[in-house]
Amino acid sequence: EAQVTQNPRYLITVTGKKLTVTCSQNMNHEYMSWYRQDPGLGLRQIYYSMNVEVTDKGDVPEGYKVSRKEKRNFPLILESPSPNQTSLYFCASSLLGAGGGDEQFFGPGTRLTVL
Amino acid sequence: GQQVMQIPQYQHVQEGEDFTTYCNSSTTLSNIQWYKQRPGGHPVFLIQLVKSGEVKKQKRLTFQFGEAKKNSSLHITATQTTDVGTYFCAPSNDYKLSFGAGTTVTVRA
Repeated sequence: EAQVTQNPRYLITVTGKKLTVTCSQNMNHEYMSWYRQDPGLGLRQIYYSMNVEVTDKGDVPEGYKVSRKEKRNFPLILESPSPNQTSLYFCASSLLGAGGGDEQFFGPGTRLTVL
Repeated sequence: GQQVMQIPQYQHVQEGEDFTTYCNSSTTLSNIQWYKQRPGGHPVFLIQLVKSGEVKKQKRLTFQFGEAKKNSSLHITATQTTDVGTYFCAPSNDYKLSFGAGTTVTVRA
């Protein structure tokens, strides 16, 4: 089944404790991205990647890191999480790129709470 | 990213009625996508509009792209309980997709 998977689905952590949220897609998509969703703000793009080893900042990259060593995986890293990073996170992928109007396939989401 | 305003933020609809949600931009958009997110779920792609004045239909859903490509709308006829959720417009530019804040729809049976 074609899908985007994220792990973990739920995470409660404490300020300053490094964490990684994994994202994997099995559709051979070039483009992957991370969004955070907060009430009243819609989805805001954190980082995106157009291909292996190519990443770029989205609208809200502060406090996050990403890497794209393999085509299928695009982990989101929070080196020192803070309470304002408490949010619902979505990973998405598409065949080419968002600018080309490609349909974005979203993962199920990761609900992160930072105490 | 490109800023779009979605109105209304909330839409309470009687089952069987029609409603429209709007997406407005101060700048010209290259194209615009629409997504639906069910409660507790993830966004799911509905449609993409590219051409000025474009109109596309999906059963009871009608999507329009304005002549000036600065606004878009989603019209749902004969609302059903399955239409519950949040509808997002998302203009894309280069390789970035920007989402509006969404219109959250509830349906009274």
